[in-house]
Amino acid sequence: KAGVTQTPRYLIKTRGQQVTLSCSPISGHRSVSWYQQTPGQGLQFLFEYFSETQRNKGNFPGRFSGRQFSNSRSEMNVSTLELGDSALYLCASSYHDLWGGIYEQYFGPGTRLTVT
Amino acid sequence: AQSVTQLGSHVSVSEGALVLLRCNYSSSVPPYLFWYVQYPNQGLQLLLKYTSAATLVKGINGFEAEFKKSETSFHLTKPSAHMSDAAEYFCAVSLIQGAQKLVFGQGTRLTINP
Repeated sequence: KAGVTQTPRYLIKTRGQQVTLSCSPISGHRSVSWYQQTPGQGLQFLFEYFSETQRNKGNFPGRFSGRQFSNSRSEMNVSTLELGDSALYLCASSYHDLWGGIYEQYFGPGTRLTVT
Repeated sequence: AQSVTQLGSHVSVSEGALVLLRCNYSSSVPPYLFWYVQYPNQGLQLLLKYTSAATLVKGINGFEAEFKKSETSFHLTKPSAHMSDAAEYFCAVSLIQGAQKLVFGQGTRLTINP
């Protein structure tokens, strides 16, 4: 099975611009979560999507948004970029069952975003 | 609120020595606990998980972890370190039944000395 893929792997943007990152989950996984990783704050949860619906959201400003498509692929968008948004953005996918079981998440290689 | 604390941001051991990475959790309900490893410029790879079955969990690459409820700990061990084990290790707790959200510790960077 192919793993989680993320595109692009590297991005350089200027303050004030917006950016869209893409994530393709493992085949059969319908839950996609996004995380931000920075040296100062570590790994922080952004949001999770399941069946095209955002199920849970972390403590990030509204500039951070996402969506999920019917094929479970997901995108996240950051508008009005700030220097502090420079980070590694990780996407993870997991299985989901009807009983709300908790399953391990499989991570992609990440997108390294640099804001100048 | 549930949280994870990893004791020691940097651990250094000699090749062949025991590896012990510490993780303590705070949870009001029985937790689901995970250890992930991250190599430079890569994503996170799952090492092992605890989901309330056996308290001693075996993972990949010779790692194992023991869930101790009385100590609220989930320490990661490996009997004999290998140079390829050098990486950053993250302990995480899963929150919210029915939603996939991980809360991570700050990470422990493991260095292996030849």
